[in-house]
Amino acid sequence: AQSVTQLGSHVSVSEGALVLLRCNYSSSVPPYLFWYVQYPNQGLQLLLKYTTGATLVKGINGFEAEFKKSETSFHLTKPSAHMSDAAEYFCAVRTNFGNEKLTFGTGTRLTIIP
Amino acid sequence: ETGVTQSPTHLIKTRGQQVTLRCSSQSGHNTVSWYQQALGQGPQFIFQYYREEENGRGNFPPRFSGLQFPNYSSELNVNALELDDSALYLCASSLAGYNEQFFGPGTRLTVL
Repeated sequence: AQSVTQLGSHVSVSEGALVLLRCNYSSSVPPYLFWYVQYPNQGLQLLLKYTTGATLVKGINGFEAEFKKSETSFHLTKPSAHMSDAAEYFCAVRTNFGNEKLTFGTGTRLTIIP
Repeated sequence: ETGVTQSPTHLIKTRGQQVTLRCSSQSGHNTVSWYQQALGQGPQFIFQYYREEENGRGNFPPRFSGLQFPNYSSELNVNALELDDSALYLCASSLAGYNEQFFGPGTRLTVL
């Protein structure tokens, strides 16, 4: 069975500093990996995804993530944090290709310090 | 292009009651998935419908059931509500094979 672990339920960074949100997955088959963002009282918005091909994936709002198979990781980064990045971030994995079920991590709440 | 919409926004029920939540998928999408997000947790997959047939189910009891209509909109029904059913219920629509689910804003269900 697949699973996702997000290290750090809360992360605080200063405005302009590097954002690093960690995600590790467990899967017996090559996974598809996703990062979603959730703003208060809203649904989830896709930031970026890895399916096949290039392991460094660029997404919206300046975020990117790198798929590292040897480390079973898919960490999310952004070079310079902005106040508008404050939100909850979820890493998700898809391994059942008979349907589109996503397995999510427990989330990381990102706080930006002015 | 209209995104995924859900109704109602909020709902309060008492234990033992039944509830129906509704989802309108994004135009052109033929797949709808439902997720339960408890407070402080990530979303948990309930089930998925593809062309009006259930196509995958998570670890939820049979009192969670669903429907998908010919226009690809969907309903989630929960019978015999329990306190632990209190959560944000998210609907996501997608076009099969495109690896991207579009989420609605959710329905906040409170069971007293």
